[in-house]
Amino acid sequence: GAVVSQHPSRVICKSGTSVKIECRSLDFQATTMFWYRQFPKQSLMLMATSNEGSKATYEQGVEKDKFLINHASLTLSTLTVTSAHPEDSSFYICSARDLWRNYGYTFGSGTRLTVV
Amino acid sequence: AQTVTQSQPEMSVQEAETVTLSCTYDTSESNYYLFWYKQPPSRQMILVIRQEAYKQQNATENRFSVNFQKAAKSFSLKISDSQLGDTAMYFCAFRGEETSGSRLTFGEGTQLTVNP
Repeated sequence: GAVVSQHPSRVICKSGTSVKIECRSLDFQATTMFWYRQFPKQSLMLMATSNEGSKATYEQGVEKDKFLINHASLTLSTLTVTSAHPEDSSFYICSARDLWRNYGYTFGSGTRLTVV
Repeated sequence: AQTVTQSQPEMSVQEAETVTLSCTYDTSESNYYLFWYKQPPSRQMILVIRQEAYKQQNATENRFSVNFQKAAKSFSLKISDSQLGDTAMYFCAFRGEETSGSRLTFGEGTQLTVNP
């Protein structure tokens, strides 16, 4: 079945530094990638949607300069948290959709970011 | 805008018994898809079952089945013969074909605990 590999699974960084999270689709073309943020015991909050080769579309309230999304290829999308602060600490999840799979969404295993 | 509501933040069930999780949604679209996802303690999102709105027959996947009531905008999940491994957070999700593009809208989630 479809697999999305998300790395790293856990990362601790110092306040003010940047962190990059990668999501790779291993056996299908991720024409669309979704990035979510999830707080403990809460639902997934969509941050942005990106289509391969296009600029990401950010949800209202999400700072595009802080959360940089690159989707340069059909198998790789990255989320870079720039100038991270403790309030950016959260669980980040990517989800990829293949245009040719009518309703299939494949989720990465998530990244726990802790900013100290 | 579409909304998805799960009115049961927590539920518990005894092993081998049956439990039903509720989900209601609001949309003006006529063509859409509904999903139930499971998020166990590992936090990996796993698709449990999906339903196309144009199909009148309720979807079934082994021990999991749905009760899709289109007029009432209700999409409940029934888990039969509950197993300890069913302990997880369950999210109901909606995807419209028209105004919402390919994004998923998630409910708040229901934490299900299966007791031995």
